[in-house]
This record gives sequence, C-alpha cells and structure tokens, in this order.
Amino acid sequence: NAGVTQTPKFQVLKTGQSMTLQCAQDMNHEYMSWYRQDPGMGLRLIHYSVGAGITDQGEVPNGYNVSRSTTEDFPLRLLSAAPSQTSVYFCASGWTSRNTEAFFGQGTRLTVV
Amino acid sequence: AQSVTQPDIHITVSEGASLELRCNYSYGATPYLFWYVQSPGQGLQLLLKYFSGDTLVQGIKGFEAEFKRSQSSFNLRKPSVHWSDAAEYFCAVGGVFGNEKLTFGTGTRLTIIP
Repeated sequence: NAGVTQTPKFQVLKTGQSMTLQCAQDMNHEYMSWYRQDPGMGLRLIHYSVGAGITDQGEVPNGYNVSRSTTEDFPLRLLSAAPSQTSVYFCASGWTSRNTEAFFGQGTRLTVV
Repeated sequence: AQSVTQPDIHITVSEGASLELRCNYSYGATPYLFWYVQSPGQGLQLLLKYFSGDTLVQGIKGFEAEFKRSQSSFNLRKPSVHWSDAAEYFCAVGGVFGNEKLTFGTGTRLTIIP
C-alpha cells in the first residue's frame, strides 16, 4: 500500500549541480504533478502530466524539467541548482475531475548552498 | 485563472473552542474544492472535498466545510478543537476537464493553547 513514494527525503546541493527527484505511484493514476512549498506561499505547481508521454508547465516551471515515460514514474530534474530552488518539493498523484482526489508524497527537503 | 485566498496566516484557538478557517476562491464555473491538513514535516492529507450537491460537507477528524457560491467561500469549521488539530491547513480549488490544475491557498497555521 505504498501510494506515492518520493526519494530522497533530504538533499543538499551546491549551486550549479543537477539532480533528479524521484516520484513513483502504484495507484495507476493518469495525473501526476510536482509542487514546491515555500513559507507563506503555499504550494505552487511546477509541472504536471495527464498521462504517459504528456507533460505541461505549471505556475513556476523555470529551472525544472520533467518527463513521463511510464504511468508510474514522474521524475523532476533540476538542471543547474540555484539557491532560489531551496524548498520542500511534493509529488502528487491522482487529481483530475475523474479521480477526484490528489494523494501526496511525504516531500523532499532540498537545500541549495 | 483560478485562485484561492486564505486571509488568515495564523490562528490561535483554545483547546475545546470552536474553529473557523476562511477560504475564498476564484473560478469561472462551479469549482471542485478541497481542504488539506499538513502536520509538521509531513505530507498533505485530505480532510474533505466538495464537488456538487449538499453544500455542507463532512470530513475526517470532525471537520466540516460549507460551500457558499454567492460569497465564493468554502470555510472550514470544527465545533471543538483538540490539541492534535495543531497543523497547517490548505484550501485548494480544482478545475474540470481541460483545466485540471489543483491550485492551493497560502495556508493557515493553527496553534492550539491549553
């Protein structure tokens, strides 16, 4: 009964480094998304996907790439990390008007120094 | 574009007192509305949701919310709070087919005092 699994839980990067945040779901959901959470700003949508092979930008996509080669996985790539990307990242699965509820992972706390 | 406003950044309530957290939304049609709760260091858990029908919806942990179309509001209520209710609460609005983004408010942090 895993639901949505995010790895890693914590990460420290140096400015300019790249990395991939992993997200996997086992509920066969078509819709997956990435959010970042910053104090006083709530959760802001970075990228989302409505199915394998289909992705689109959210509210704050700059500096991030995504791909969706399978239904289960939706990795988020930071191309060249910047201190402004220090945040907590959440992957969500399942929200569409058909699924009716988004399930969230436990989050990845990323610090860029 | 859809949006959510949670006007209260931080609320402090005595244990056993009633609670109301405010949420106002902007959306061009009948929205899908949600309340999520986040305990420190945790992910988000769904408290309740509204799609259609009865405008008063019941959720988990004794919470309820009322959809008021005329006020574009979806306020969360609980008649008697418990210390374990201390957390951050997020209101969210979702679109329908073709506009299926889930947009969150900035959250309200709830502190419970004995």
